[in-house]
Amino acid sequence: EIVLTQSPGTLSVSPGERATLSCRASQRISATFLAWYQHRPGQPPRLLVYGGSIRATGIPDRFSGRGSGTDFTLTISRLEPEDFAVYYCQQYSTSLWTFGQGTKVEI
Amino acid sequence: QVELVQSGPEVKRPGASVKVSCKTSGYTFTDYAVTWVRQAPGQGLELMGWISVYNEDTNYPQKVQDRVTLTREISTGTVYMELTSLKSDDTAVYYCGRRGAHGAINYWGQGTLVTVSS
Repeated sequence: EIVLTQSPGTLSVSPGERATLSCRASQRISATFLAWYQHRPGQPPRLLVYGGSIRATGIPDRFSGRGSGTDFTLTISRLEPEDFAVYYCQQYSTSLWTFGQGTKVEI
Repeated sequence: QVELVQSGPEVKRPGASVKVSCKTSGYTFTDYAVTWVRQAPGQGLELMGWISVYNEDTNYPQKVQDRVTLTREISTGTVYMELTSLKSDDTAVYYCGRRGAHGAINYWGQGTLVTVSS
């Protein structure tokens, strides 16, 4: 099983600031099979990025993903109030997908 | 438009079983896999398994593979998740999600709260 480790666990930032979230895999994966989701309380998760760097439909360009091998990042360039949530990375390179444990972005 | 609508909340005793449904619409049902993910209180997202709707192939993580079964009903466009021998730590919100052509989950159901309590 591929283990994804996200850091930091909690990120305290202010609206308008930049946030950088990290996701490290226990073994190399292709960026083609790496996604990021946003999860707000009481709502289902929302796909932000797939294929490591491709924004999903309707996702604003302040969200960007990059990385390769075992290290991936999600950057939120200018935090809006609605961006305060938990963010998960997910790999789907094997038949048993796994999620990271999440990074909470809080004010 | 693509929609996934899940069945309502459930309260079960330890040792019982639960079956949650996920009715889909707005796309060709057999073209996309459906996955189930849960979130226990205060915890992160956990894969419960996924089903290839086309041929009913399934994949389950080892942690739950002896207790979870995913099935589909083509006539109604519905996917089911059954979880047996329920324990208190199965208390969670269960989400179904449709896998996109790119592989990630781009459409989600609204979630179903399953509470296991004596």
